[in-house]
Amino acid sequence: DAGITQSPRHKVTETGTPVTLRCHQTENHRYMYWYRQDPGHGLRLIHYSYGVKDTDKGEVSDGYSVSRSKTEDFLLTLESATSSQTSVYFCAISEDPDRTNTGELFFGEGSRLTVL
Amino acid sequence: AQSVTQPDIHITVSEGASLELRCNYSYGATPYLFWYVQSPGQGLQLLLKYFSGDTLVQGIKGFEAEFKRSQSSFNLRKPSVHWSDAAEYFCAVLDSGGYQKVTFGTGTKLQVIP
Repeated sequence: DAGITQSPRHKVTETGTPVTLRCHQTENHRYMYWYRQDPGHGLRLIHYSYGVKDTDKGEVSDGYSVSRSKTEDFLLTLESATSSQTSVYFCAISEDPDRTNTGELFFGEGSRLTVL
Repeated sequence: AQSVTQPDIHITVSEGASLELRCNYSYGATPYLFWYVQSPGQGLQLLLKYFSGDTLVQGIKGFEAEFKRSQSSFNLRKPSVHWSDAAEYFCAVLDSGGYQKVTFGTGTKLQVIP
């Protein structure tokens, strides 16, 4: 199994508070992603990173920021949590593409966030 | 932008019966397509992928999928379903814009009855 650790795995917080989720990988993969999973929506990309300090927005980035200061860590921050950000958050990683692995993602086990 | 559609939200099959999960994609060129499976409370695991070449691809756990360009489809099949196959299945397509971004469908939840 790919070495991906998400923390915390579960968190309950109140509206307006900041929240940071951490994704840590031991695979030295270049690409890292944050997705959120909601019923009826599948997985939607929040932000992604293509190298240290190189990040960009996904399709649902409003209200979220990210940072990647080291290859192994990708942080997702909710500056001021809202109830609409209650979700399960998945981190994923991917290697530099070649003929065999292009696009293949390896996922963490998810972080369940509840915003009251 | 590319997209995938999974028209079936929920499917129920009997154990031992055959299975087909539908996936339609929207993409201008030859797509890179994937099927992932998610067991309850778990992350996603790759079942199989299509890049080019043979349009029938084999995956893990006895699954296969067939790429049909004329129908813009990439349906997942299994000849005989086991109770352990109960899970949620996601079809996905690779973004051509680079950075290895993958877009997922909304998922199909499979229930297996004895």
